[in-house]
Order: sequence, then structure tokens, then C-alpha cells
Amino acid sequence: GNSVTQMEGPVTLSEEAFLTINCTYTATGYPSLFWYVQYPGEGLQLLLKATKADDKGSNKGFEATYRKETTSFHLEKGSVQVSDSAVYFCVSGGSNYKLTFGKGTLLTVNP
Amino acid sequence: KAGVTQTPRYLIKTRGQQVTLSCSPISGHRSVSWYQQTPGQGLQFLFEYFSETQRNKGNFPGRFSGRQFSNSRSEMNVSTLELGDSALYLCASSRDRGNTEAFFGQGTRLTVV
Repeated sequence: GNSVTQMEGPVTLSEEAFLTINCTYTATGYPSLFWYVQYPGEGLQLLLKATKADDKGSNKGFEATYRKETTSFHLEKGSVQVSDSAVYFCVSGGSNYKLTFGKGTLLTVNP
Repeated sequence: KAGVTQTPRYLIKTRGQQVTLSCSPISGHRSVSWYQQTPGQGLQFLFEYFSETQRNKGNFPGRFSGRQFSNSRSEMNVSTLELGDSALYLCASSRDRGNTEAFFGQGTRLTVV
């Protein structure tokens, strides 16, 4: 079945620092890929998605590119804010219609 | 447009009891999936319903069951509760099956004592 591996946290950054959260996947075929974010006390929200190789998903300054050759979907942001503090999940959507989640990476941004 | 609504938000149950959780998907969404979130195991897929039929099931014991009604609302039931069932249970709705965007509710926090 599908699996997703993302970098272990926690990640602590200062405001305006550059963020990278690594994510790799294994899957049969070419799944859609997503980044979801979970703010404290809230449910999961879709941050961005990419449905095919070389697609770049972007939202709120975050970006991730679907790299088929390296089976990766790394999340990046050029300048993080305190409000970006949350848990980030890399997710693959398989042909069996279920989402497979990475373990999540806790990001804390300090002023 | 209203989001995914899960009720109740919090539950405390005793070992051996059973519990029913409810999920109302976004209007017009026909697919509902359930996930269990724990600190140790992360987010794990429980089951998926579409058109009142269970289409997919995760690797959970038979104590976990669910159903979907004609209005797409879904319930999940856990019987003979164990301490290890304590978790956040999340419901996600999608317009259709497939790799489309899933919208999540805020979850039901179940504590088994």
C-alpha cells in the first residue's frame, strides 16, 4: 500500500526564516499529493495540493512541487510567521480512495 | 456554506461501553471517510462511505463499524470500548470519490477510562 514519510519534528524557527519540511512517498501509480495543516484545537485544513508530476501547489506563501523522479513533495515557505505555527501533514491520495498521512511535523515559529 | 460538523466534540466513556459518533458532511458531498488520530499512530484510515455503502475499510477490528444515511450523514460506532480507543476521531467529506479535496471536521475527542 501507499506510505508517506515526512521529517520528524519538532521544527522551531524564528519569524521570517525559511522553512522546508521534507516528504517522500511510495505508491502504486501516481497519487495526488496534499499538504494539510492542523492549527491548535482545530481540524485539518487543506493547505495545497498537486495532482500530477511537476505540478506545483501553492497557497498562503507555501509551495510544494510533485517530483516523480525523487517521489518527493517537500513543503517550503520563504518567510514564516508566528501564525504559521501548527502541525503539517504530508498526504497521498491513492487509487483506493483513502488518504495516507505522514506522521506530522510540529512547527513552532518564535517572534 | 457550512463545513463538516461532528458531534459530540468530546466524550468520556468507560471500558466495555459502546459509543456512536456523528458526522454531517458539507451539503452536496457524497463521500464520507473516518480517521483515527492518536499521538502514537498518527492518522489512520478507518472507513469510507459513498452512496450509503462502505467502499473501503482500514485495518481496525470489527468493533469499529459505521453507516451512511441517504442524506450522506454518517455515524461510526465503537463497541466494547478499550482504553486504546481513546483518540481524536476525524470525519472528512468529499464531493465524490477519488483524489479530490477532502474537508475535515473538528473531530470528536473520545476518552475511555
